[in-house]
Amino acid sequence: DAGVIQSPRHEVTEMGQEVTLRCKPISGHNSLFWYRQTMMRGLELLIYFNNNVPIDDSGMPEDRFSAKMPNASFSTLKIQPSEPRDSAVYFCASRSGTPAQPQHFGDGTRLSIL
Amino acid sequence: GEDVEQSLFLSVREGDSSVINCTYTDSSSTYLYWYKQEPGAGLQLLTYIFSNMDMKQDQRLTVLLNKKDKHLSLRIADTQTGDSAIYFCAEVSGGGADGLTFGKGTHLIIQP
Repeated sequence: DAGVIQSPRHEVTEMGQEVTLRCKPISGHNSLFWYRQTMMRGLELLIYFNNNVPIDDSGMPEDRFSAKMPNASFSTLKIQPSEPRDSAVYFCASRSGTPAQPQHFGDGTRLSIL
Repeated sequence: GEDVEQSLFLSVREGDSSVINCTYTDSSSTYLYWYKQEPGAGLQLLTYIFSNMDMKQDQRLTVLLNKKDKHLSLRIADTQTGDSAIYFCAEVSGGGADGLTFGKGTHLIIQP
């Protein structure tokens, strides 16, 4: 079975550029989560969707960050303009049903902003 | 707010048991999880426990939950070199917020 698929695996770009991270959740899962992992702050929830609708975006650090889920099989996290402090590993996770079901993670996108 | 605490490092000899501990502050935590992260990889779900359980065993893994003390532990029996990784404790509260709150992770180091 295909797990959560993220692309790209690595992204290196210069500050000020737009960055788009992509996620394909596990088929049939109706909740999707974006997390960020840094050495200083560990793993933090950025935003999550239930049935394609954003439920909680309180973890999104700034207006430079935006996330969309146009359909049940695709989500994007966009940073515009990017800054060096956005460098981190960004994970997408999906889950079926209720919080009683565990979240399954993708392999992450390692983002470096120069 | 919620907080999840873990020790940063644990060193054990190959073949011994490893016990990784976690404490949490959110008394409404309903689901608690253990994830494993190998270098450069994503988070792999190892096991999880509901707050109405005290123990869960799955092959070499044993999870113990002390809800009164808000303490969770993961025991890995017969630790192997392949168990070397970072182990994250995470919780979800029952208050309607579905995102996971993670600890900082415990680096498990295996000595030959």
